[in-house]
Amino acid sequence: SQQGEEDPQALSIQEGENATMNCSYKTSINNLQWYRQNSGRGLVHLILIRSNEREKHSGRLRVTLDTSKKSSSLLITASRAADTASYFCATDRPPGGNNRLAFGKGNQVVVIP
Amino acid sequence: AGVTQTPRYLIKTRGQQVTLRCSSQSGHNTVSWYQQALGQGPQFIFQYYREEENGRGNFPPRFSGLQFPNYSSELNVNALELDDSALYLCASSPGQGNTGELFFGEGSRLTVL
Repeated sequence: SQQGEEDPQALSIQEGENATMNCSYKTSINNLQWYRQNSGRGLVHLILIRSNEREKHSGRLRVTLDTSKKSSSLLITASRAADTASYFCATDRPPGGNNRLAFGKGNQVVVIP
Repeated sequence: AGVTQTPRYLIKTRGQQVTLRCSSQSGHNTVSWYQQALGQGPQFIFQYYREEENGRGNFPPRFSGLQFPNYSSELNVNALELDDSALYLCASSPGQGNTGELFFGEGSRLTVL
């Protein structure tokens, strides 16, 4: 069954603005990951946050995890035109390490130069 | 070298059979296959670890696979249906030292007419 489910947003923002997208899931997780997909291409891993972490940063990315609410958010700061893509959250259930991820439906982000 | 998938695009008709191929990233012994319908997130089909199926999603038996001693993999779909039209993604990961992330290929775009 599908675990991650993003708010089915299509964001359109100006270059330099911040983009925030959310993800909710239904059962307990080992970790939650975010991936980016350019139109019709493969997915690229962005960031992973473990169930015992609450916030993580990687460059312009900030991800939060609230296990009590079973939700996560991804923030992209100072967006660039190259950030235009679809963003998916994916969950890995306990005990983890098997990499059988459940993906959400994705958020489409358009950054206008 | 990264994950490579062939063919990138193919067109089949209902009832036909298709084989998709994937070469995993160097050093990775685990391969997972995902189906991504247009506008949706990837759905887990199955995973292979050291030539054995290691988990399967909610897909019928006409979806089958193989993994070879060099860890490359095939996805076979028999009796194709229109709803099988999708992007098929292969992802590899290391069995040991697993950080949790998946490394995806560019996908094989299957159209069933």
